[in-house]
Amino acid sequence: GAGVSQSPSNKVTEKGKDVELRCDPISGHTALYWYRQSLGQGLEFLIYFQGNSAPDKSGLPSDRFSAERTGGSVSTLTIQRTQQEDSAVYLCASSHGGTDYGYTFGSGTRLTVV
Amino acid sequence: GIQVEQSPPDLILQEGANSTLRCNFSDSVNNLQWFHQNPWGQLINLFYIPSGTKQNGRLSATTVATERYSLLYISSSQTTDSGVYFCAAGTGGTSYGKLTFGQGTILTVHP
Repeated sequence: GAGVSQSPSNKVTEKGKDVELRCDPISGHTALYWYRQSLGQGLEFLIYFQGNSAPDKSGLPSDRFSAERTGGSVSTLTIQRTQQEDSAVYLCASSHGGTDYGYTFGSGTRLTVV
Repeated sequence: GIQVEQSPPDLILQEGANSTLRCNFSDSVNNLQWFHQNPWGQLINLFYIPSGTKQNGRLSATTVATERYSLLYISSSQTTDSGVYFCAAGTGGTSYGKLTFGQGTILTVHP
C-alpha cells in the first residue's frame, strides 16, 4: 500500500482480556518494527522483523507480549491478559532495508485497558 | 545500550525565527533519524542521516558521527512546524534498523 496501515485505530479492553493489533507495512519493505509510546513519553522499542531472519524480540516487556509476521508482510502484535500499564499508543513502522533504513510510521493503535 | 539525549527539551518561537535542535548519542551509530510528531500524533520521518548533511526545504540536518552528535536546523519557522521532534539512533550489527529514541524537543511556534 501507499503507507503503513494499522488497525484498529482505537481499542478499549478490560483488564485480563487478550488483544491483537495489526500492521500492514508498505509493499516491498523488508523490515517491520513495533514501538509503543506511553502518554507524554518517548518511543520504546518492542520487536523488529527483518526479512526471513529471526526477529529481535529484545524489547518485549514480558511474556504476555508476542508478535508474528506472516509471509513477510502483515504483522500482528498480541498482548495476553492485558494490564493497565499496557495502555499506550502502539506504533508500527516499516523500512526498505538494504541501504535505506528510513522509517515510515503508521498512525498507531491507541490501547486503553480499563 | 546506546543513550540518546536531546536539547533543548522545550522551545518556543515566533513565526519566522530560526532554530537548532541538538541530539547527542553515547556510542558509534550506523543509523540516525529525525522525526516530527504533529499535534495529532502522526510521526513523520524528516531525515535518515547516519553521517553528513542533508537539506529538505526549510529543514536541514547534520550528523558528525565521530563527535557523536546530530543537529536539526529549522529556518523561517511556521506554526505548522509545532510538535515534538525526535532523534533516534541505532548502532547496527544484527539489528541494523532498531532505533533508540531520545525524549524529544517540544517546539511551539506562535503566529
